[in-house]
Amino acid sequence: GNSVTQMEGPVTLSEEAFLTINCTYTATGYPSLFWYVQYPGEGLQLLLKATKADDKGSNKGFEATYRKETTSFHLEKGSVQVSDSAVYFCALSDRDTGNQFYFGTGTSLTVIP
Amino acid sequence: KAGVTQTPRYLIKTRGQQVTLSCSPISGHRSVSWYQQTPGQGLQFLFEYFSETQRNKGNFPGRFSGRQFSNSRSEMNVSTLELGDSALYLCASSLDIWSKNIQYFGAGTRLSVL
Repeated sequence: GNSVTQMEGPVTLSEEAFLTINCTYTATGYPSLFWYVQYPGEGLQLLLKATKADDKGSNKGFEATYRKETTSFHLEKGSVQVSDSAVYFCALSDRDTGNQFYFGTGTSLTVIP
Repeated sequence: KAGVTQTPRYLIKTRGQQVTLSCSPISGHRSVSWYQQTPGQGLQFLFEYFSETQRNKGNFPGRFSGRQFSNSRSEMNVSTLELGDSALYLCASSLDIWSKNIQYFGAGTRLSVL
């Protein structure tokens, strides 16, 4: 079946540090991959996506590359800011299963000045 | 274009009561999914509706039910509330079930059961 595994949190970084949040997936078909972000008190917002192997999604300085050979979609940012403090969710949708979404457990990030 | 709208934003109920939450998807979107989010369990899939039909259902008891109307608006109902039902309930809409879609989320309804 389909599933997403992401690294446990919480993660605490100093401002301007490099961020990596690991995400691996299992899918029966050819999924699309997503990173969503949830700020305190809000719903989830799409951060970036990639729909096929070797695609790189990017937004607001965040990047993730769809790696089929390692079934991974790790989120990276070169220099985090305090405003990046949020919970990050990795997700996949698989057209073979009717585009149902599968989410990871979320990784809480706190950036300290 | 308006986003996904969930009402109400906050609810306080007592054990044994029932509650109905509402979700209006983005205009033109026909698929609506519901999730329960709790600190301990993360984001758990409740069910998905498309064209007024439930397509997928998560592993929740029958106290949790939902429906979708012809205008794609959706409601979920929880009967005989338990303390453990306290959570943020999120609704997400997407265009359809065939193309490579994005799910767009509402801000959620925070339910507290006392």
